[in-house]
Parts: sequence; C-alpha cells; structure tokens
Amino acid sequence: GAGVSQSPSNKVTEKGKDVELRCDPISGHTALYWYRQSLGQGLEFLIYFQGNSAPDKSGLPSDRFSAERTGGSVSTLTIQRTQQEDSAVYLCASRSRALSTDTQYFGPGTRLTVL
Amino acid sequence: GDSVTQMEGPVTLSEEAFLTINCTYTATGYPSLFWYVQYPGEGLQLLLKATKADDKGSNKGFEATYRKETTSFHLEKGSVQVSDSAVYFCALSDQQGAQKLVFGQGTRLTINP
Repeated sequence: GAGVSQSPSNKVTEKGKDVELRCDPISGHTALYWYRQSLGQGLEFLIYFQGNSAPDKSGLPSDRFSAERTGGSVSTLTIQRTQQEDSAVYLCASRSRALSTDTQYFGPGTRLTVL
Repeated sequence: GDSVTQMEGPVTLSEEAFLTINCTYTATGYPSLFWYVQYPGEGLQLLLKATKADDKGSNKGFEATYRKETTSFHLEKGSVQVSDSAVYFCALSDQQGAQKLVFGQGTRLTINP
C-alpha cells in the first residue's frame, strides 16, 4: 500500500508570503503528526491529530503556524507571513491506533525555503 | 521535559568496522525507544525499536538494547557496509497519549570502502 505522501516536495517563497503544505497519511491511520527538521533546531514536534479529538498544538513555534485535518485524513500545515527562520524540511508522519504498534511512518518531507 | 542525547558526529569508519553510536535519554515515565535512519536523499525510516527494559531491537544487522538502569539505547553493528552511510536519529516517545517523538540531534555516519 501507499506510504505517507507530502506535497509539494520543494517550496520557495518570499518573506511575508503565506504557504500551505499538504500531507496524505497512510490509509486507515488515525494519528497524524507534523515535525520540522532544521539545521539549528534538529527534529522537533509541531502538532498532533488523533481522530476527532482536539489537536495537540504544543509544538507550534508561533501563532503564524496552524494546521487542520479534514475528514480524519488529509492534513494541511499553514504558515502565515513566512520568515527566513521558517526555512526547514517539514515532515508528516502517521500511526495506526492498533495496540500492536506504536510506529510512526514518515513522509518524504517538504523542503521550504524562505528568501 | 523528556530529552535524548546522542554522540556527536560525524563518524567515519572503514567497511567491516564495528559501529557504536551512543544514545542516552531522560524521561519521566517509561518511554518507547527508537532508532530512525535517513539515507541520502530519502525520508526518515524506522530502523529498530524497543518498548520495555532489557528488550533488544534489531534490524539489518543493527542492534540496540533498552537499558533502564543506565537510561541508554546504544546502536551497534558488528560489520558496517558502505550502504550504511546515513544519518541516524535516536528518539523516544511516551507509551500513552500523543506518543510524540523526541529526537536526538542525529549522527552522520560515513563508511569508506
């Protein structure tokens, strides 16, 4: 079956513009995560969705960042008024709720460059 | 908060050498422990995991043992290959709730033929 997919694979934008990054999780996975991989901060958690529960937004670095998950499947991460420090690779992961696994499966990432 | 500390890289070895990448953690509960690998130009892949003390995770010749007494999860391989060149990340997650991953800083490994 298909893995986690993300689009676009690369995004170059100008400072101050808004961007939207998309994640399609593995079919049937109810848990979805966004992480960010940057040179200065390493790999860090951003936000977590589980079913219809309120998302865990504790990792979002500022109120310019938001995310939604429609229909329990596709998720969009939006960054408003982008800044140069937002340049990073944004990774999405999904996980099954089955008791036998706690493994998160990662997508290939979206490389965001803010000029 | 929870944290993971990995041995700093980069690490350069010759083919067939023995590999150890050290990883220690700090956690308030009983986390699951993971090693993820990122090959050049590819995404993060799970290499191995362990979910309780004294468990040994293994895959592709790599092994790591969950040591609660030393809060460690060191990665080892007896004979590395050029194809093992990658960045390796140690990580932990709670076994309940969100299970969000906390990563170490990563160790870049280069194997020379």
